[in-house]
Amino acid sequence: DAKTTQPTSMDCAEGRAANLPCNHSTISGNEYVYWYRQIHSQGPQYIIHGLKNNETNEMASLIITEDRKSSTLILPHATLRDTAVYYCIVTANSKLTFGKGITLSVRP
Amino acid sequence: EAQVTQNPRYLITVTGKKLTVTCSQNMNHEYMSWYRQDPGLGLRQIYYSMNVEVTDKGDVPEGYKVSRKEKRNFPLILESPSPNQTSLYFCASSPKQKRYNSPLHFGNGTRLTVT
Repeated sequence: DAKTTQPTSMDCAEGRAANLPCNHSTISGNEYVYWYRQIHSQGPQYIIHGLKNNETNEMASLIITEDRKSSTLILPHATLRDTAVYYCIVTANSKLTFGKGITLSVRP
Repeated sequence: EAQVTQNPRYLITVTGKKLTVTCSQNMNHEYMSWYRQDPGLGLRQIYYSMNVEVTDKGDVPEGYKVSRKEKRNFPLILESPSPNQTSLYFCASSPKQKRYNSPLHFGNGTRLTVT
């Protein structure tokens, strides 16, 4: 059973913010929300994670709704190098289950 | 530079010829794991290791073996490779997983073709 649902794809213009949604309506209280991305068959790259508070780092921001049933990854100023498959994952242990992710295409 | 190193990057072999894909990390991480990635199936966990001499099966362990004799290395062994093991393989590591907030660091992948 998929724990998360994401749109298949989206695009955004270079320099604009990219907002990637994720639904995780069955998330448990001890499960974290992780985001990874994979650029063209390279190894997946960790972006950010959170439990219930919003988080920000040098790559992105993670906004988690109060009921924790959905979240949004925000890339504040997308560049062409941000074109990738982005995976939203919820987990309470060491195991990451990768779904199909969302393909983000950043256009010039 | 902190990294997970896999070798080789590309490998073509024949059915039944034993092979080993090496994985090494220089971050003193306790946890290591192997994934395979196939079109339409995403990344699936093969085996993982919580620490030296501790290994456990993931979702698709059949046809694979691993060992963890030292902290930095976690080789993946295919005793008798078959064509259905043609795939893109990733090794990953992280610090202790107990608090569930340790992100995984992935290697750059090994593309294996078994003919």
